[in-house]
Formats: sequence, C-alpha cells, structure tokens
Amino acid sequence: GDSVTQMEGPVTLSEEAFLTINCTYTATGYPSLFWYVQYPGEGLQLLLKATKADDKGSNKGFEATYRKETTSFHLEKGSVQVSDSAVYFCARYNQGGKLIFGQGTELSVKP
Amino acid sequence: GAVVSQHPSRVICKSGTSVKIECRSLDFQATTMFWYRQFPKQSLMLMATSNEGSKATYEQGVEKDKFLINHASLTLSTLTVTSAHPEDSSFYICSARDAGGGEKLFFGSGTQLSVL
Repeated sequence: GDSVTQMEGPVTLSEEAFLTINCTYTATGYPSLFWYVQYPGEGLQLLLKATKADDKGSNKGFEATYRKETTSFHLEKGSVQVSDSAVYFCARYNQGGKLIFGQGTELSVKP
Repeated sequence: GAVVSQHPSRVICKSGTSVKIECRSLDFQATTMFWYRQFPKQSLMLMATSNEGSKATYEQGVEKDKFLINHASLTLSTLTVTSAHPEDSSFYICSARDAGGGEKLFFGSGTQLSVL
C-alpha cells in the first residue's frame, strides 16, 4: 500500500553543517509530497511541498526535489542553524485522501 | 497564519478514568478535523476523521467506543479516551482543514497522555 519511509534519527549536526534527511515513498501515480516540521512544544507546520515530478519545493533555506525515478523526496539545507532543531516529517496523501506520515526524524543542531 | 489550539498539552490519569482532549480552530472554520496518535520514534497514525455535524470515520483497528469523537461546531472537535488503560498512553495530535478550501492542514501542538 501507500507508505512513506524516512531515515531514522536523531541526527546531530554542528551549526553551518549540510543537512540531508532521506525520504522515500511507495505509491501508484504521482502524489503530492510534503515536509512538515515540528518545533519543540508546537504543532506541525508545513515546511514545503512539491506537487509533481521534478518539482522542487523550498522554504527557509530548505529544499526537496520530487524524484520519480528514485521515488524520493529528500530534504536538504546547505547550512543549518540551531533554530532548525526540530522533528521533520515527510508526508503524502494516500488514495483515500488521508495524509500519511513517515516516522519523523529528530534534528539537533549544536552551536 | 491559521492556528489550531489543542488542550491539554499533557495529562496524567489513573487507569479506568476518561480523558477529554479538545482541538479548536482559532481563526478559521474547520468542517473536517483529523486525530492522530504517535508512539515514540514512530509515525503519526491517523485514528479518525471528524466531520462537523456528523459521525466520525474511524480507521481500521481503531475502537470507536474507546475513542469517542465529537465535532459539534465548526471550530471544535473533542477526543475522549474512555476507560483509559496504560496501553492508551501516547501522544495525540489533531489537525484541521480550513473550510475555505485548500489542501493545507493546520496542526495542534499535541497532547501527551500518560495512564498510570
């Protein structure tokens, strides 16, 4: 069935390091793909999205490219900051129109 | 941006008691709200879809008599965990879709339930 798999955390980086959080999906067709972020003590917020193959979503220095060849939507940022410390969720809609999530990846950025 | 308020953020209760969690959309109307459950290090699992003025739709494997959902107004949905047991301990998150349309969901900050 439809699913989303993302790399396990926690991921610990130093400030200004390069970040990659892997996300792959299984699907029939080409669903819209999303990255959500949950900062400590807050609800999930939409970070970025891509609606079709080869689209690149971007926001706050984060980017993710919808790659149908590898069924992936990896999240990247060139230089992370302490304020990026959060839990990141990859997500997509299933055929029933329900939003399904990966297991979340906790990012901790040290000064 | 749109805000969803979820209350309480943390609750500890004794086994056998019932716990109510509220989810409010503060600056928009939500005809549809969703309830998720999250275990540590695991994904958010959709429990049920709550539609204003009608019965909730539960996902397979979710006990509707255990997890009572009420969506009596366009800004409020409640989840009641009845006769809670330790295995119900989890993180519960609600989300709401703006009745004005669009794909975007707005999430509450979650409720950590601990049943002793």
